[in-house]
Amino acid sequence: DAGITQSPRHKVTETGTPVTLRCHQTENHRYMYWYRQDPGHGLRLIHYSYGVKDTDKGEVSDGYSVSRSKTEDFLLTLESATSSQTSVYFCAARGTAAYEQYFGPGTRLTVT
Amino acid sequence: AQKITQTQPGMFVQEKEAVTLDCTYDTSDPSYGLFWYKQPSSGEMIFLIYQGSYDQQNATEGRYSLNFQKARKSANLVISASQLGDSAMYFCAMREEITGNQFYFGTGTSLTVIP
Repeated sequence: DAGITQSPRHKVTETGTPVTLRCHQTENHRYMYWYRQDPGHGLRLIHYSYGVKDTDKGEVSDGYSVSRSKTEDFLLTLESATSSQTSVYFCAARGTAAYEQYFGPGTRLTVT
Repeated sequence: AQKITQTQPGMFVQEKEAVTLDCTYDTSDPSYGLFWYKQPSSGEMIFLIYQGSYDQQNATEGRYSLNFQKARKSANLVISASQLGDSAMYFCAMREEITGNQFYFGTGTSLTVIP
């Protein structure tokens, strides 16, 4: 699993509050990804990173920002959480072999 | 346009029988990889099998095989000798190697194995 951890694993927050989710990996992978999973949509890419301070948008990036100041950490921030951002968030990292795409355990976020 | 299409929201299979989960994809990138993941009710994403666009042979991993038909842009997962523990959501995914390294998922197929 490439040693990917996510924190927190569960969070309940109120509409309008800022939220930061953390993804940490121990294998020095260059590429990291944030996804959200919603019923009927599968996993959708929010943002990804191809190196320290190098990030790009995915298909559902509105309302989210990311930062990567160290190889091992990739942060996802919801500047002002909305109920539509209630979801399960997965972090992933790409390994060196083509088949290697590892996922963290997920964070369940509820915005009330 | 959808990059990955899984047209079977739910499937049922008798224990010990084989089952095929369908996946079609859309890309103009000549270099890409196709993946299948299993997501049990506990929520983690479990890698099952990978097929590269230049691989000549269909990938196999134990009871899993990938029926790769490049001209038809399909990458169906075949599970042989189904077990009760195979009941889960199954996702097909694709990574385009040249056009940005993004990783696309289908909407998933829920498989239920009947004893």
